[in-house]
Parts: sequence; structure tokens; C-alpha cells
Amino acid sequence: EPEVTQTPSHQVTQMGQEVILRCVPISNHLYFYWYRQILGQKVEFLVSFYNNEISEKSEIFDDQFSVERPDGSNFTLKIRSTKLEDSAMYFCASSEDQRYEQFFGPGTRLTVL
Amino acid sequence: TQLLEQSPQFLSIQEGENLTVYCNSSSVFSSLQWYRQEPGEGPVLLVTVVTGGEVKKLKRLTFQFGDARKDSSLHITAAQPGDTGLYLCAGISPGGGADGLTFGKGTHLIIQP
Repeated sequence: EPEVTQTPSHQVTQMGQEVILRCVPISNHLYFYWYRQILGQKVEFLVSFYNNEISEKSEIFDDQFSVERPDGSNFTLKIRSTKLEDSAMYFCASSEDQRYEQFFGPGTRLTVL
Repeated sequence: TQLLEQSPQFLSIQEGENLTVYCNSSSVFSSLQWYRQEPGEGPVLLVTVVTGGEVKKLKRLTFQFGDARKDSSLHITAAQPGDTGLYLCAGISPGGGADGLTFGKGTHLIIQP
């Protein structure tokens, strides 16, 4: 069964460093999303992406964040200068249509020291 | 801002008992999804409900979408230890899913043998 994959599973970085989180969405899906989940809190929407551009972004998704689909399969989230409060699980999701259910990857645990 | 409130937040029952968890909002959603999330993993989709009043069954799990599409419930019959986990509801706004899923905080379910 097709699934969303994410790498790395765990990323440890120093405050101020740049990180890139990678996702491979389900191949026939056209809509891509990033969410984050701070430990013990609910899953929060960051950004949606369609047709090579951002569709919507939340207030969390500030200028430190960017997304890209560099090729036909990968979807990346870049945090330019990480802060301690960026420590969280980051989930990628994809869907065939923005009105349809979204399928989530296993997540990347980001730890900022 | 759309909010989803899940109740109860924690539930611990004995194997074989029945239970119902709730997902409520003052806002209308075009659809609601129920996910199950294990610690350190991504949400796994269980079901999507779209039509007001819709009922879907997944083995011992019964999902219902409220008539007004503002609330949903998950009923588990004869709960088993394997049902233990975090159950999340998430909704897509009527404007479409470009603004991502709105998640509830989840119900932590423990089924004791």
C-alpha cells in the first residue's frame, strides 16, 4: 500500500542552524502539507502546497520556514535558523484533493539544543 | 478559528467494555477524519465521514457524523487491549482543505486486560 515517507526520523541540531526535513508523498497525490506537534500538544497545520506553490500557511509558518518540491518526488521543509521552540515532531501529509482525506508520514523528531 | 474539542481526554476501561468518545465543534466541517496515533509515530487514518448523519463501521468501531456536521463520535464495542492508543479527530473546513486539517487534542484510551 502506498505510504508517505519522511527522512530523517530524528534530527538533532544546534540553535541557529538550518535544517531540511524531507518527505516523499504518495505518488499520485497532488496536495502536500506540513504539520508539527510539540510534545504533549495537538497537531498543528503549518503549510499546504499545490502546483509548486504555497496554497495556505498558518501564523506559525513565518519567514524562517520555507517549502520546496525540488523534483518530482520530494517535498521539503526548511527551517533557516532553528530556535529551541522549534523542537517538535514534524509530519508531512499528502492528499489527492484538498477536500479529501490526508495521509501522514511517520514524522521527523526535531530536537534543537 | 475553528476548534475541535475531544472528550474525554483520558479514558481507562476494562477489556470487553463499550465506550464512546466525542469530537465537538461550534463550526461546520465539510468532512471529519478520525486518526489513531501511537507514541512517536504519525497519525494513521481510520475513517472519513462526509455526509451529515453518516455512520461508518470498521469492525468493532462505529463512527458517526452529526447531522449538522459539527460533531462526531467514535464508539468501540467490546474493547480490546489492542485498541489502546490516542484517537484524534480532524476536520476540513467548508472552504476546502487548503488551510489544512484542524485537529482535536485527542482521547488517550487505555484498555486494561
